[in-house]
Amino acid sequence: GAVVSQHPSRVICKSGTSVKIECRSLDFQATTMFWYRQFPKQSLMLMATSNEGSKATYEQGVEKDKFLINHASLTLSTLTVTSAHPEDSSFYICSATGTGGTTNEKLFFGSGTQLSVL
Amino acid sequence: SQQGEEDPQALSIQEGENATMNCSYKTSINNLQWYRQNSGRGLVHLILIRSNEREKHSGRLRVTLDTSKKSSSLLITASRAADTASYFCATDGGSNYKLTFGKGTLLTVNP
Repeated sequence: GAVVSQHPSRVICKSGTSVKIECRSLDFQATTMFWYRQFPKQSLMLMATSNEGSKATYEQGVEKDKFLINHASLTLSTLTVTSAHPEDSSFYICSATGTGGTTNEKLFFGSGTQLSVL
Repeated sequence: SQQGEEDPQALSIQEGENATMNCSYKTSINNLQWYRQNSGRGLVHLILIRSNEREKHSGRLRVTLDTSKKSSSLLITASRAADTASYFCATDGGSNYKLTFGKGTLLTVNP
């Protein structure tokens, strides 16, 4: 099946620094990628939707200047948490969907990134 | 308001028993999907059921959909300890790809 690779799996950073998380589709073209945030024992909250070559669409309440999303190619999307603060600590998950076959019927998820801001 | 509310929030059973999880949603859908998440990991797609389908099977999984009640159920038969995970339903709200996830059911299967 389709594979989505997300890196890093875990990152610890100091408050005020920026962290970049990468999401790659390894064996299909991801026309659309989604970024989610998940707090412990809670559901996934959609942060933004990104389409290759265009600006991301952010959900209400998500600061686009804080969570920078770039979807420069059909296989790579990045989420940069700028000037991270402890309240940004969370589990971030990307997902992707493609075109054709079964890749456009469901989402393929990365393994997630646990961000801890000290 | 959030779509996809699962119940129970937590379910603990013995190996070999069946596990049933329910999901309710609020708006019209094209399809409903169930995903599984192991602790600290990403989600894995289990099964998709379309709005014009009532029941679907995949291995030990059985999903039902009642669009009149806006509800779905996921049945895992003959559960195994390896089935221990959180299970989420997700609806598309009539818009392709943009899924809304429920709060999930934490299933614990005791050996």
